[in-house]
Amino acid sequence: DGGITQSPKYLFRKEGQNVTLSCEQNLNHDAMYWYRQDPGQGLRLIYYSQIVNDFQKGDIAEGYSVSREKKESFPLTVTSAQKNPTAFYLCASSGRAEAFFGQGTRLTVV
Amino acid sequence: AQSVSQHNHHVILSEAASLELGCNYSYGGTVNLFWYVQYPGQHLQLLLKYFSGDPLVKGIKGFEAEFIKSKFSFNLRKPSVQWSDTAEYFCAVNYPGEGKLIFGQGTELSVKP
Repeated sequence: DGGITQSPKYLFRKEGQNVTLSCEQNLNHDAMYWYRQDPGQGLRLIYYSQIVNDFQKGDIAEGYSVSREKKESFPLTVTSAQKNPTAFYLCASSGRAEAFFGQGTRLTVV
Repeated sequence: AQSVSQHNHHVILSEAASLELGCNYSYGGTVNLFWYVQYPGQHLQLLLKYFSGDPLVKGIKGFEAEFIKSKFSFNLRKPSVQWSDTAEYFCAVNYPGEGKLIFGQGTELSVKP
C-alpha cells in the first residue's frame, strides 16, 4: 500500500527535550517537505528536500532540524530552541505532480 | 519573498449556494498551482491542479479553478455547494526551479443544510 507514514500520531514531551518526528514514504518521490499547521495560519513550510543528502530551510526553520540520508525518510527534530513547539506537523512528498500528505503528528509540549 | 494569499478565512454558505474562494500568489515566473481540501479529521487531499494549458481546470466533486496569469490568481469555484463540502481549503503554489511548495492560510468553509 503506497503512501506516506508519519509516526506517532500523538506525541507528548516535556519542555526542554528534543523530539524527532518520523516520516517515511514508499512512493519513490524525490521531494519531501515538513509543514507546521496552526489554526488560522495554514501550512507553514519548515524544511524541504529535493534530493537525498540535501535540504533547504523553509519559512520557519528556526528551532527545527532535518536529515535526508535515505530517499524514503525525512525525519524532523523539534529542538528545545523552538519557542512554541506545540502544533500539528505534516509531512509530504512529491514527484513530478502533486504532493501527497501523511496523516500528521500532533505534538504537545508540557 | 514568495507567498500565497487566501482572502477569505471563513466562509459560511447555505446548501445550493455558489462558491468562489480567492487565491493570489506573489511570484511572476513559472508556477504550478493546486487546491487541496482537508475534511474534518482527515488528511489533505488534492482537489485540482494546474501545470499548463487550458487555464480553466476541473477537479473532483464538481470543483473548478481558473488561472489568470495577469492577476497571479487561481480562484476556486463550485456552482452549488453541499453540506459535505464543509472543510478547510488550501491553495498551494509550487516553484519548480526551487522545489518549494508554499500554502496559503486556508479558508474554512461551513455549509449549512
